[in-house]
Amino acid sequence: GDSVTQMEGPVTLSEEAFLTINCTYTATGYPSLFWYVQYPGEGLQLLLKATKADDKGSNKGFEATYRKETTSFHLEKGSVQVSDSAVYFCALFNQAGTALIFGKGTTLSVSS
Amino acid sequence: ETGVTQSPTHLIKTRGQQVTLRCSSQSGHNTVSWYQQALGQGPQFIFQYYREEENGRGNFPPRFSGLQFPNYSSELNVNALELDDSALYLCASSLSGVGHEQFFGPGTRLTVL
Repeated sequence: GDSVTQMEGPVTLSEEAFLTINCTYTATGYPSLFWYVQYPGEGLQLLLKATKADDKGSNKGFEATYRKETTSFHLEKGSVQVSDSAVYFCALFNQAGTALIFGKGTTLSVSS
Repeated sequence: ETGVTQSPTHLIKTRGQQVTLRCSSQSGHNTVSWYQQALGQGPQFIFQYYREEENGRGNFPPRFSGLQFPNYSSELNVNALELDDSALYLCASSLSGVGHEQFFGPGTRLTVL
């Protein structure tokens, strides 16, 4: 079945460092891909999305490109801030387009 | 525009009891999905409701059931609670149709003792 694999955390960075969180997927067809962020004690917020191959999603300085050849959707940010500390989830829609399938999440901790 | 709200925020139950969690969808959304997020894991899809009918279900036993009301709000019911049911339960609302963005509520933290 469809699945998402994320790099395990925690990822610990200093402020202004470069961030990469790897995400690969297994799916039938070409599903829409998402990155969600979960701040402590809160629900999930959509960070960015891409709906077809080679699309680049971007928001708040974060970017991810839908790579069909490598079935990947890696999250990047050029300069992280303390306020970016959160758990990041990579996700895709199932084939029916009804359910999101999530990775296990990657915890990011940024120190000043 | 009112976002997705859930109640209660926290809940403590004992094994074997029953629980009902509630969700109000975002204004204009007619589809509600429920997810279970165990500690340290990603959310797992429980089921989705559209037009008051179940519209897809994940790998959860029948003791997990739901309802959707005419105003699109929804309930998640869990019978015969087990210790492993302890988790954050997330509700998400969306427009109907394939692949529409799902907007999540803050969740209900359920602890089963």
